[in-house]
Amino acid sequence: GQQLNQSPQSMFIQEGEDVSMNCTSSSIFNTWLWYKQDPGEGPVLLIALYKAGELTSNGRLTAQFGITRKDSFLNISASIPSDVGIYFCAGQLGNNDMRFGAGTRLTVKP
Amino acid sequence: DTEVTQTPKHLVMGMTNKKSLKCEQHMGHRAMYWYKQKAKKPPELMFVYSYEKLSINESVPSRFSPECPNSSLLNLHLHALQPEDSALYLCASSQEEGGYRATNEKLFFGSGTQLSVL
Repeated sequence: GQQLNQSPQSMFIQEGEDVSMNCTSSSIFNTWLWYKQDPGEGPVLLIALYKAGELTSNGRLTAQFGITRKDSFLNISASIPSDVGIYFCAGQLGNNDMRFGAGTRLTVKP
Repeated sequence: DTEVTQTPKHLVMGMTNKKSLKCEQHMGHRAMYWYKQKAKKPPELMFVYSYEKLSINESVPSRFSPECPNSSLLNLHLHALQPEDSALYLCASSQEEGGYRATNEKLFFGSGTQLSVL
């Protein structure tokens, strides 16, 4: 199947540190999205990427769509306690078919 | 208005019950989705409606029955569920312009219905 491999599975960092996570796949995706999910809530869209090589920022968040269209990374700079949560990458194959990575659970120690 | 509203937020049902989950959006989106999410797992696609027609069914058991009464509403009818069906059920919508299935979509999610089957 068209699996997304997301890493790392979890991260424990100190407040103020930068964070990096990524997703890779053997399939080519048309769109990469990054979401954050808090417990008991739905995922909230952080960044959307549509073109190979595209680099997009949203505040302290930066994400890139890999040149091969098979990978993407998300960076968070100067982490703060409210960054805690689960981050999911999602890739669109086509025809409304959006698939999710397994998630990266981020813990930020004050 | 960028909200997708789901009701109820929590639902407890027995295996012989019939219940329905509801989802509503007023963003003019023409694609609506149901995802199932187990604890500590990513959302798994169940159904997609495109222009009120079922376009994707990910081999979901027939005890889950989706319905799209109009472009703003999406229901999921539940009947004879099993305890392993307990999960967070997420509704999402996306714009899908032009009357064809889009390949560059942003999905907007509701807060989900936390379902427990006893």
